[in-house]
Amino acid sequence: DTGVSQDPRHKITKRGQNVTFRCDPISEHNRLYWYRQTLGQGPEFLTYFQNEAQLEKSRLLSDRFSAERPKGSFSTLEIQRTEQGDSAMYLCASSEGSRSEKLFFGSGTQLSVL
Amino acid sequence: RKEVEQDPGPFNVPEGATVAFNCTYSNSASQSFFWYRQDCRKEPKLLMSVYSSGNEDGRFTAQLNRASQYISLLIRDSKLSDSATYLCVVNGYSTLGRLYFGRGTQLTVWP
Repeated sequence: DTGVSQDPRHKITKRGQNVTFRCDPISEHNRLYWYRQTLGQGPEFLTYFQNEAQLEKSRLLSDRFSAERPKGSFSTLEIQRTEQGDSAMYLCASSEGSRSEKLFFGSGTQLSVL
Repeated sequence: RKEVEQDPGPFNVPEGATVAFNCTYSNSASQSFFWYRQDCRKEPKLLMSVYSSGNEDGRFTAQLNRASQYISLLIRDSKLSDSATYLCVVNGYSTLGRLYFGRGTQLTVWP
């Protein structure tokens, strides 16, 4: 499968716990994005990387959120001290970058914070 | 004010109908525009880009009005398989990487 893959597909956690999600983009894509989506809303931008550099972070990304893309390939998104309001679908997407802004999304990680 | 505004619908139309969706965007400097489709419990997928002169892809026609800052999507001869949520997407002005999504317009095509 050469698409964007995300792991896990579902995560249930208790409030206050830390969680980490992984995204593997399409191999030749140098841009990687994280979005968050709640029911009835469109995806909200969280952050994006150009290769290993994190170029932009949304105000939505509080201090409890951190994302990395250490070698310019896969990325991780960590949420510390989870809150119930963090419950959402976390979507990863990749693109070719400067040649194209078209995003290819993974299937997402559904987070439920109890 | 949100960067992209869409009427959430729902739009319920019979097979064969023509249906149109609009969205408005707030930043006049935005340069790239797209329509994405999202099926229930699935990830968004690119439907089509929107070009200044308007463009067509089979039964789908997209148009851009820069003066009024709105984008439209027209679906002709609707099929049951067109039932989905249609997301209007616009890029940022000084933030080249960021794409802003509308909340989506839900379409149901019934037999």
